[in-house]
Amino acid sequence: DAGVTQSPTHLIKTRGQQVTLRCSPKSGHDTVSWYQQALGQGPQFIFQYYEEEERQRGNFPDRFSGHQFPNYSSELNVNALLLGDSALYLCASSLEGSREQYFGPGTRLTVT
Amino acid sequence: EDQVTQSPEALRLQEGESSSLNCSYTVSGLRGLFWYRQDPGKGPEFLFTLYSAGEEKEKERLKATLTKKESFLHITAPKPEDSATYLCAVLSGSNYQLIWGAGTKLIIKP
Repeated sequence: DAGVTQSPTHLIKTRGQQVTLRCSPKSGHDTVSWYQQALGQGPQFIFQYYEEEERQRGNFPDRFSGHQFPNYSSELNVNALLLGDSALYLCASSLEGSREQYFGPGTRLTVT
Repeated sequence: EDQVTQSPEALRLQEGESSSLNCSYTVSGLRGLFWYRQDPGKGPEFLFTLYSAGEEKEKERLKATLTKKESFLHITAPKPEDSATYLCAVLSGSNYQLIWGAGTKLIIKP
């Protein structure tokens, strides 16, 4: 049973550039959430997708956007990168109606 | 305001030395409290969900308990492989978003 997968593993970008991160949910899951985790901190909720729609959003600017595809996979896009966007970006999947989320290994983004 | 505080920030134990990690929370309508384990550079690994005060869950050397204001993660006779950061999160009934603590870094020395 494949768990949550994310790509790429690591990414280095320059300030002002744009980045796309990808996530495939655990088999059978239909809901995807994205989190940002700074070093030494807990994850911060960015947004959640269900049925290809953004269902909830945390306190993140519009530079952060996402998409969910019919096969439930998802993308996180960040525009106009800032140094402060450097973090571990985590994708979590769940089954609609279930409160338990399962996380992928994350993508480490470094903005220079 | 929904808030989760974990203590201590870091805990060093000798192998076999039992202890507890604390997660204190303030939330509008608790819809669940979650414990995760996170190894360096990896995503959190789900451990337990607790829903109501008095509930307990166990898995190997770990036992999680819940009261109306806090949760404890008890670790009995830990081994070096239990070294990790343990994260606590609560699901708020006001916005159905997970609110996370900063974690407790647990180090078990052989």
